[in-house]
Amino acid sequence: NAGVTQTPKFRVLKTGQSMTLLCAQDMNHEYMYWYRQDPGMGLRLIHYSVGEGTTAKGEVPDGYNVSRLKKQNFLLGLESAAPSQTSVYFCASSYPGDRPEQFFGPGTRLTVL
Amino acid sequence: GEDVEQSLFLSVREGDSSVINCTYTDSSSTYLYWYKQEPGAGLQLLTYIFSNMDMKQDQRLTVLLNKKDKHLSLRIADTQTGDSAIYFCAESTSNTGKLIFGQGTTLQVKP
Repeated sequence: NAGVTQTPKFRVLKTGQSMTLLCAQDMNHEYMYWYRQDPGMGLRLIHYSVGEGTTAKGEVPDGYNVSRLKKQNFLLGLESAAPSQTSVYFCASSYPGDRPEQFFGPGTRLTVL
Repeated sequence: GEDVEQSLFLSVREGDSSVINCTYTDSSSTYLYWYKQEPGAGLQLLTYIFSNMDMKQDQRLTVLLNKKDKHLSLRIADTQTGDSAIYFCAESTSNTGKLIFGQGTTLQVKP
């Protein structure tokens, strides 16, 4: 089991460029999440999905879009990157209900110049 | 709204016990979690506790939950230098599993 994997690990963008971050999990989890982590702060939820074909907004969704076309993949898109989106992005996945463990990927470090 | 607060820094000597504290505001929390993050790495789930429990022990880790005061603590017995990391408290309040995180407590273990 690879668990939760994220691609790429690092990326540098210029303001206005677009990119997609890929999250993949091989645990057959229903739920998937995208968080961002900024210095001195905990993780904040961007978007999440409770199943294939469904997505919902989290705490800080502005400037991001997501898609969950396949159960095992959750994509995070930045259409027009801004310096305020410089952050470390973490993907996570979990089962629903009474198995509450949420498993995290290794993170993607994104810098927007 | 939902809020989770932690002290930012704790320094202990190797072999001592560490106690990391967390307070939360949402009384409808279902699960409360402790995650560990080492430099440049992702988050590792250490343990979690269901909201109807008062205590959970797992080897060197003891979690105490005071639901009346909305206070959660993580005690690490016999702290080792390998325990140096950032520890995050998090709560889950909905059936979608969304987590609300504290800012993280940096634990420094001195030899």
